[in-house]
Amino acid sequence: DVKVTQSSRYLVKRTGEKVFLECVQDMDHENMFWYRQDPGLGLRLIYFSYDVKMKEKGDIPEGYSVSREKKERFSLILESASTNQTSMYLCASRPTGHRAKNIQYFGAGTRLSVL
Amino acid sequence: DQQVKQNSPSLSVQEGRISILNCDYTNSMFDYFLWYKKYPAEGPTFLISISSIKDKNEDGRFTVFLNKSAKHLSLHIVPSQPGDSAVYFCAASSQGGSEKLVFGKGTKLTVNP
Repeated sequence: DVKVTQSSRYLVKRTGEKVFLECVQDMDHENMFWYRQDPGLGLRLIYFSYDVKMKEKGDIPEGYSVSREKKERFSLILESASTNQTSMYLCASRPTGHRAKNIQYFGAGTRLSVL
Repeated sequence: DQQVKQNSPSLSVQEGRISILNCDYTNSMFDYFLWYKKYPAEGPTFLISISSIKDKNEDGRFTVFLNKSAKHLSLHIVPSQPGDSAVYFCAASSQGGSEKLVFGKGTKLTVNP
């Protein structure tokens, strides 16, 4: 079974803090993704990565950055957390190739509250 | 502009009856469609998918129908069970394009005992 592990289930931070959300997958997947989920807005893509040290902006990258130094790990960074970044953050991974059938595998999520 | 639309934010059905969740898309380049299920405080889990070369795919109680001319797909759950209560997301992708999925906003299904 594919396992995508997000380091924290719940996180409370203060406005202005630098926040790191970590994600690790154990299936040697090339592609990794960060989403946020908000009520009524569905899943919105923040950033994704095709390979180590590669990154691409998603639909809502403002206020976020990412790091992919190793294939299995994809980090989301909030440089200066703000209250509008309070959300559920979801990490996903998938392999490359048509046999992957575009299925992304998700972690359990990190509920971040910025006070 | 929303490329994948789930126009019903919520749906309530009785246990044992059929649940039908709908999804519309606007991008004619989409050729692969997926449904995910999400329980509160958990990540989405893959449920079922369909390629644009098919019009139906079945897996146990779950069937997905695709109408390419109408750019519409639906997920049927028969019979519905209380454990099916969750948020269902429709997602779409285009082969040969980026690895991204485009998600709808989700439909919250409640199955009443």
